Amino acid sequence: EVQLVESGGGLVQPGGSLRLSCAASGFTFRRYWMHWVRQAPGKGLVWVSRINGDGSSTNYADSVRGRFTISRDNAKNTLYLQMNSLRAEDTAVYYCARDLDSSGSGYFDLWGRGTLVTVSS
Amino acid sequence: SSELTQDPAVSVALGQTVRITCQGDSLRNYYAGWFQQKPGQAPVLVIYGKNDRPSGIPDRFSGSSSGNTASLTITGAQAEDEADYYCNSRDTSDTHLVFGGGTKLTVL
Repeated sequence: EVQLVESGGGLVQPGGSLRLSCAASGFTFRRYWMHWVRQAPGKGLVWVSRINGDGSSTNYADSVRGRFTISRDNAKNTLYLQMNSLRAEDTAVYYCARDLDSSGSGYFDLWGRGTLVTVSS
Repeated sequence: SSELTQDPAVSVALGQTVRITCQGDSLRNYYAGWFQQKPGQAPVLVIYGKNDRPSGIPDRFSGSSSGNTASLTITGAQAEDEADYYCNSRDTSDTHLVFGGGTKLTVL
């Protein structure tokens, strides 16, 4: 089955760290740009970061640059998001998403179910 | 980075046609993607590129673009189309992606 499954969310204190994982199955993971998108409770979608197929190119939203790091392990078919110096405003459901466009245009044709990150003391 | 602007809410009578718009400078250079999100669910891609639909998306969904505005049209809206709709695109620097604020569609 073609799917993405996120894990690693939870409750963390401000200033803390968390690593999210996204396990891919049913498709050739290394061929796709992959992204993280987040959604705060009751709010809209916000793009967070993207990485190309071999991991050599990454981009970040201004709000997370310098604090978050996207990476991937193609041998394990897994996408990661290392989140450091977490703030209350990082509280959201984090989705990983597959980009059907070979240049990473953001046409997300496959999404995970999301993992909730709550930053609170 | 640039922004994409959507109307917060739109309504349509059952079976009628509705257009949801998305405005932004980046749309002069890039086609938008359109996503449908129902409560408690992950988003679903409904339109991408010039006017392409992923497999399984009904043909009542279509897309168009002119100048700085992208549009999603639902021809013959159904009750199950009631959802939040988001547009996205690359930004003008092509180093970021950006989403619109979303449009809540109500089918009356």
